[in-house]
Amino acid sequence: DAGITQSPRHKVTETGTPVTLRCHQTENHRYMYWYRQDPGHGLRLIHYSYGVKDTDKGEVSDGYSVSRSKTEDFLLTLESATSSQTSVYFCAISDTGNTNTEAFFGQGTRLTVV
Amino acid sequence: GEDVEQSLFLSVREGDSSVINCTYTDSSSTYLYWYKQEPGAGLQLLTYIFSNMDMKQDQRLTVLLNKKDKHLSLRIADTQTGDSAIYFCAESGSSASKIIFGSGTRLSIRP
Repeated sequence: DAGITQSPRHKVTETGTPVTLRCHQTENHRYMYWYRQDPGHGLRLIHYSYGVKDTDKGEVSDGYSVSRSKTEDFLLTLESATSSQTSVYFCAISDTGNTNTEAFFGQGTRLTVV
Repeated sequence: GEDVEQSLFLSVREGDSSVINCTYTDSSSTYLYWYKQEPGAGLQLLTYIFSNMDMKQDQRLTVLLNKKDKHLSLRIADTQTGDSAIYFCAESGSSASKIIFGSGTRLSIRP
C-alpha cells in the first residue's frame, strides 16, 4: 500500500470553530489532492497541490484553505466550520514522470460539524 | 476546463454483466482510469488504459475507449455481490497534469 495517512480519521466539531485536517505521504509524490465525498455528489475536488507552496483551487474551494510547506504534508483548513462542511474528506497523491500516474488515496476523514 | 461525467447509480442482477459509462472533455487525455471504492474505504485503482488503445481486458473486466466520442466504459462480466461498490472514472493528460475524477457510479447488485 502507498504510504499515505490522514489524521484525524474522525472528528466532531462545533459550527464556527477552525478545523485542520492533515495528509501525510512517504512516497515523495508531486501531486496531492483534497476531495470531499457526499451522497448524491460523488467525489469533488477542493484544492490540490503540484509542489511545495504550489496550490490551486478545485471545484468546491469556498470555505477551505490549504498549505503545503513540505513535500510530505498537505493541510486542509476550515477557517470557520459550517454544517454544510460535514462530509468525508479524502486525500490523494499522484506522481509525474512515470509511465502511469496512478493516484493513491488515504482512508478518509469523517468530519461532522454540529 | 476538464470534466468527467458519469451517472450516479446502476443496478444489475447477480450474474449479469454491468456496464458503467463515462464521458470526458479533455481531448489531450493520455491515461484513463477506473477506480473502485468499497464501503468505508478509500479509492483503489481497478484498471487503466492508455489513450492509444481502444480496449483492454483483465479477467472479468473489459475497458472500452472511444477516443473520437471521448467515451469510456467498464464492463464487469458475471457480476457478483462483491462487486457492489462505487466506481470512479478518471483521466489525466500529459505527464505534468493532475488526475480528474468523475463523481462516481454506485453499482448495486440484486439477487
